[in-house]
Amino acid sequence: GQQVMQIPQYQHVQEGEDFTTYCNSSTTLSNIQWYKQRPGGHPVFLIQLVKSGEVKKQKRLTFQFGEAKKNSSLHITATQTTDVGTYFCAGPGWTGNQFYFGTGTSLTVIP
Amino acid sequence: KAGVTQTPRYLIKTRGQQVTLSCSPISGHRSVSWYQQTPGQGLQFLFEYFSETQRNKGNFPGRFSGRQFSNSRSEMNVSTLELGDSALYLCASSLGQTYRETQYFGPGTRLLVL
Repeated sequence: GQQVMQIPQYQHVQEGEDFTTYCNSSTTLSNIQWYKQRPGGHPVFLIQLVKSGEVKKQKRLTFQFGEAKKNSSLHITATQTTDVGTYFCAGPGWTGNQFYFGTGTSLTVIP
Repeated sequence: KAGVTQTPRYLIKTRGQQVTLSCSPISGHRSVSWYQQTPGQGLQFLFEYFSETQRNKGNFPGRFSGRQFSNSRSEMNVSTLELGDSALYLCASSLGQTYRETQYFGPGTRLLVL
């Protein structure tokens, strides 16, 4: 079946350092969504990318969708303690019959 | 608009018992999906209901079942509980028109099986 992997699984950074998580799907995704789950919380929608090669920014967060629509990345510039949490990518396959979540990257920011 | 609500928030059961979890989606949303989240396995898709019909199913044993009512509220049932069923169970709702829509998650039900 379709798999969506994220690397790294865990990342510890000093506050102020940059952070990047990569999302790779075994098949093409029609769109990619990113979610953030704070410790003890539930996943919350961050953004959706639809077009091949699309790049979107939200303040210090930059999201990119690969040209082949099989990979994506989330880059955080100058991390803050409020960025702590697990970041998931997700998206439907081209068959459109299921929503797939990535394995997640857990970010720890050391003050 | 009220968000997705789940009840109960916490539950402790013993092996062999059964449990029913409830999820009320955002008003107007017709799709409800259920996920199991454990530290080692991430978010595992259980099933999705749309207009009272199961539209998709993940790779879970038949002990896990669900249903959806005409008001889009959904319930999930786990029979003959096992220790490995201890997890956070999340439901997510969406309009359900396509699979490109945002999923809105509830706070989850944390189940502990002793």
